[in-house]
Amino acid sequence: EPEVTQTPSHQVTQMGQEVILRCVPISNHLYFYWYRQILGQKVEFLVSFYNNEISEKSEIFDDQFSVERPDGSNFTLKIRSTKLEDSAMYFCASSIIGQLNTEAFFGQGTRLTVV
Amino acid sequence: AQSVTQLGSHVSVSEGALVLLRCNYSSSVPPYLFWYVQYPNQGLQLLLKYTTGATLVKGINGFEAEFKKSETSFHLTKPSAHMSDAAEYFCAATKAAGNKLTFGGGTRVLVKP
Repeated sequence: EPEVTQTPSHQVTQMGQEVILRCVPISNHLYFYWYRQILGQKVEFLVSFYNNEISEKSEIFDDQFSVERPDGSNFTLKIRSTKLEDSAMYFCASSIIGQLNTEAFFGQGTRLTVV
Repeated sequence: AQSVTQLGSHVSVSEGALVLLRCNYSSSVPPYLFWYVQYPNQGLQLLLKYTTGATLVKGINGFEAEFKKSETSFHLTKPSAHMSDAAEYFCAATKAAGNKLTFGGGTRVLVKP
């Protein structure tokens, strides 16, 4: 069964460092997303990406964040200068457009710890 | 702005008992609704979804949910809990296919033997 894969599963980084979280969405999907879940809190939307551009972003997704689809298969989230409060589980998701195919499929997540 | 509310952050049920998890949404237009399950240290897995049509939807692992527009609710039920149902459950909504999901706060289910 096709699945969304994320690497790495865990990432520890020092405050101020740049991190890149990687995702391989399901191959025939057209919409890609990043969500995050701070420990003990709800899952929050960060950004959606369609047709090689950001289609929507939340207030959380400030200038420190960027997304890219560099090669037609990977979808990356970059945090330029990490802060302690960026520590969270980051989920990548993808979906296909269609009246009956409305759900997003999620990866296993990358746990980011900023120290 | 759309919001999703799950009543009860923790639910404890006995094995074999009914599982009922409550979800209410706030939207002027009925959204697409979903229930996801998250097992420890894992990602989010879709349990079931409502888009249009039949208001009672069945999902995996014996779960079902009923969309009630008059109550703006989408409660999740399972007639008989199993130990393997211990997990966190998230209700989510989106206004259209491809749009962002808005999640509820999650309900952690504990199943007692």
